[in-house]
Amino acid sequence: QSALTQPASVSGSPGQSITISCTGTSSDVGGYNYVSWYQQHPGKAPKLMIYEVSNRPSGVSNRFSGSKSGNTASLTISGLQAEDEADYYCSSYTSSTSVVFGGGTTLTVL
Amino acid sequence: QVQLVESGGGVVQPGRSLRVSCAASGFTFSSYGMHWVRQAPGKGLEWAAVMSYDGSKKYYGDSVKGRFTISRDNSKNTVYLQMNSLRVEDTAVYYCARDQTGEAGAFDVWGQGTMVTVS
Repeated sequence: QSALTQPASVSGSPGQSITISCTGTSSDVGGYNYVSWYQQHPGKAPKLMIYEVSNRPSGVSNRFSGSKSGNTASLTISGLQAEDEADYYCSSYTSSTSVVFGGGTTLTVL
Repeated sequence: QVQLVESGGGVVQPGRSLRVSCAASGFTFSSYGMHWVRQAPGKGLEWAAVMSYDGSKKYYGDSVKGRFTISRDNSKNTVYLQMNSLRVEDTAVYYCARDQTGEAGAFDVWGQGTMVTVS
């Protein structure tokens, strides 16, 4: 169960768009449409932002979108806002009937 | 409102056992798969275990397999994580989370977490 690969950090200015990648294998990201993305602010529990690759839960801003190509999933945040500054984690279902997370990406809004 | 509340964390010596609990309210608990996810201080999220809605299936992460046991009591709307043979590296905040897709890992409701320190 190797962790999915995410960039350690990304940054962007208010109003810009950023994309966070999440790379796995054909046994996880590439094999299933069960990729999720979570936002976590310091000292808080994670919050589901995207599920099943590209679906947004009720209440999540449409500035957040997800996609997948092969073994890599992506989270795009458009119109960056100061409150988007947080840690972001991807996760995927795996062929060993488990769940694996990415290492996390710290988003800095400049 | 929909809520998960963990309890039972604390400080425990290496090699000892601890059981953490997660009480659910505001939704039909017996309809959802439930997971435990942990986060070591300053580190990322690590998936630990899942139990299906009816308790018939349970799976574990490699780092806890053979030492931790997940269980649930649908009459009490509670899921448990029994942790045996604890190691220093098990020190983490332990979150329970509801899976809106069954057991495939879309965690739409999280508890506030309970801290377990092995020292």
